[in-house]
Amino acid sequence: KAGVTQTPRYLIKTRGQQVTLSCSPISGHRSVSWYQQTPGQGLQFLFEYFSETQRNKGNFPGRFSGRQFSNSRSEMNVSTLELGDSALYLCASTDAGTGEETQYFGPGTRLLVL
Amino acid sequence: GDSVTQMEGPVTLSEEAFLTINCTYTATGYPSLFWYVQYPGEGLQLLLKATKADDKGSNKGFEATYRKETTSFHLEKGSVQVSDSAVYFCALRGGSYIPTFGRGTSLIVHP
Repeated sequence: KAGVTQTPRYLIKTRGQQVTLSCSPISGHRSVSWYQQTPGQGLQFLFEYFSETQRNKGNFPGRFSGRQFSNSRSEMNVSTLELGDSALYLCASTDAGTGEETQYFGPGTRLLVL
Repeated sequence: GDSVTQMEGPVTLSEEAFLTINCTYTATGYPSLFWYVQYPGEGLQLLLKATKADDKGSNKGFEATYRKETTSFHLEKGSVQVSDSAVYFCALRGGSYIPTFGRGTSLIVHP
């Protein structure tokens, strides 16, 4: 099976802009989670989607949003970008329907906000 | 809430040395415990996991035992290789179903 794919891999934006990141999970996986990874804060959970519904949410402002499509692909959106949003954004998929808890991560999208 | 504490790095070792990376956790109930590894420029990969007390996860020579009495899940390897150089993350998934990760421990192995 193909692994988790994320696009784009790199992105440069300026403050105030918005950005949309995409994640395609492993075929058959219905759960997609998003994380923000920074040197200062480590890996922080953003949200999880399962069957097109947000199932869990981390402690991030409303500027961070996401959605999941019927084919399980997911997007996350960050509006009104701030310098502190510069980070590696990781997506992970899980075969949650079977009770499996292992997350399979994509390579990430590295976002730089100038 | 749930939390994971890992030893700070970097951990620097010579090839064939013994590795221990400490991990302790705080969680309600009986969480599942994981070790992930991240190589430069890549996402995280599952290294091993354990889902109940006294379980031992193992993979590629790495081992970790779920110790409920000490709330620990230390990662060990008997003989490290240069190719093991990476960042290692301890994680748990508890009753809230929100995964919690440690800050990561960088391992540098010299030839």
